[in-house]
Formats: sequence, C-alpha cells, structure tokens
Amino acid sequence: EVQLVESGGGLVQPGRSLKLSCAASGFTFSNYYMAWVRQAPKKGLEWVATISTSGSRTYYPDSVKGRFTISRDNAKSSLYLQMNSLKSEDTATYYCARHEMDAWGQGASVTVSS
Amino acid sequence: DVVLTQTPPTLSATIGQSVSISCRSSQSLLDSDGDTYLNWLLQRPGQSPQLLIYSVSNLESGVPNRFSGSGSETDFTLKISGVEAEDLGVYYCMQATHAPLTFGSGTKLEIK
Repeated sequence: EVQLVESGGGLVQPGRSLKLSCAASGFTFSNYYMAWVRQAPKKGLEWVATISTSGSRTYYPDSVKGRFTISRDNAKSSLYLQMNSLKSEDTATYYCARHEMDAWGQGASVTVSS
Repeated sequence: DVVLTQTPPTLSATIGQSVSISCRSSQSLLDSDGDTYLNWLLQRPGQSPQLLIYSVSNLESGVPNRFSGSGSETDFTLKISGVEAEDLGVYYCMQATHAPLTFGSGTKLEIK
C-alpha cells in the first residue's frame, strides 16, 4: 500500500523557517517525481514544488521561489520542504504527493503567526 | 499562468442523479507530445485529495466507472453517472501541461 506521511508542521513566527518531511513507503520512491501542494484554510489547492527522481531538477511557482527548497533522500525514501522567510500567507496544510497526483499524504499544518 | 475556471461552484444532487462539472482553460492544454495533461481530483470532507481521472479521460485505478471525463484543448467535463452518497466533496480540475501546474477553484457537490 502506498503511504506518504508528513511531519514537521507547527506554529512559526513570520520571517522564521520550518522544514517539513515526508516519509514514503509502499512504492519505489526513487522512480517518481515528487511534489508538495498546499491548501490555505477554506481555500483551494496550490502547487508549491516538484523534484525530479534524482533530485537534480526542482521546480517552483513564483509565490515561493527563492524562499522554499524541495529536496529528497532516495536512500531514506524521504521528501523534504525547507521553508524560509515565512509569511502569514504561507499558512496552510501542506501535502506531500507524487507528481502525478495519484498518491497524497494526510497533510501537515503550518501556521505562520506572531 | 494557466487559469482553470470551474462551473458550477456548487452543485446539489439527489442519489442516482447524473451531474456534470465543467473546467475551461485559458490556454490549450494539448502538449507538444500529443497528450493533454488535464486531471480531476476529489477531496472528501476532512480528507486529502484523490485522483479520479488523468489525461482527460483515463480512470484512475480503483475509481468507480460512474466517473468519466471528456473534452479537448480548452474545454473539459467530468460526469458522474448516478451520484452516490460517498461522492460528496469538492472536485478540482488541474493541469500539468504548462508550468506552473495549476488547479481550478473547485466545485462543491452536495447531496440533497
């Protein structure tokens, strides 16, 4: 069974940093592009980042480019999202997903507030 | 960025009724490789999204065949032939043809 389990969410002050992790199991992690997608409270879905199988290529929308960094450790079947210079508008549930969107984690809640 | 406009924003249906959701794109989603990367997802209340349809009309494994997708270029439709109680939630279209990947604003399906 494919499983994606996020961790690392929480309350953080504006301007500070936070790192999310996603542990994958049930499939060959290194064969898949992976992504992060977020959902602000009561809002729709927003793609945040994608990483290639090897980790050599990463992609971001303008809203997070330069502040967020996606990375992976294929040996540990783990995906990460380093979030720097956080803003209140980054408050959301962050989902780890396969880039094809055919598998999703349960989400990690991030609240950016003073 | 590609804007996906979903209509209607909300939909109320009785069990057994057939319904359709429209997704219109601001640009053609036909990729240079010949594929059209338009997917449909369902987010049930309190749950993570799940993939229903990929590449316009392909049913994801395990998804009931009462769900079907159609369309081309800029106009796409998700049809549910015989709504069941478990179908309530918010339906999103999303495109992966053009960067950045974008989602529609969602259509909330309520059961009467």
